[in-house]
Amino acid sequence: DQQVKQNSPSLSVQEGRISILNCDYTNSMFDYFLWYKKYPAEGPTFLISISSIKDKNEDGRFTVFLNKSAKHLSLHIVPSQPGDSAVYFCAASAWGGSARQLTFGSGTQLTVLP
Amino acid sequence: DGGITQSPKYLFRKEGQNVTLSCEQNLNHDAMYWYRQDPGQGLRLIYYSQIVNDFQKGDIAEGYSVSREKKESFPLTVTSAQKNPTAFYLCASSIVGRLNTEAFFGQGTRLTVV
Repeated sequence: DQQVKQNSPSLSVQEGRISILNCDYTNSMFDYFLWYKKYPAEGPTFLISISSIKDKNEDGRFTVFLNKSAKHLSLHIVPSQPGDSAVYFCAASAWGGSARQLTFGSGTQLTVLP
Repeated sequence: DGGITQSPKYLFRKEGQNVTLSCEQNLNHDAMYWYRQDPGQGLRLIYYSQIVNDFQKGDIAEGYSVSREKKESFPLTVTSAQKNPTAFYLCASSIVGRLNTEAFFGQGTRLTVV
């Protein structure tokens, strides 16, 4: 049973427009959420995060929104650039036994068209 | 430069053979993790370790083994008992205990069973 779900496997957006990537979670113990970006044959790199006590965090072109009641978060990229084309993973963090664990979604392939 | 190094980048293995994937970090992180990525799926946790000489099973530990003899190193052995070992393997590390901490990933090892 997936605790973190990214229901859109792919998304195409025109350059300059907004990209919105969505993520849903089921475990109410998650208290920290992260977005990672991944290029083919490379490891994911951290992009932006948000604590469960906040509903918005902004870093340049990237904004993450958290709706705790809906157990939903989204990543907004404005304006989208061709270099943003990558797989984006949503991750959620909670204490699992003796260590904090990250649970990842299945990823969304973003393609920004020039 | 601080970071995580995985080697080799590509690895081929014959069926029935054990193979060990290397992961080294010089970030002075206490926690290290191994994930597996399959097409269309998120990153699934294999094993993690919070401290030297201690490690715990993740969600898909069957057919894998690890050791943590040094803080800097967390090698993963894919044994012949792993039924479907062909995948992209990612090693990560993080600071233990802090809420707002992300995991840093290596470049990954693509294992192919021939």
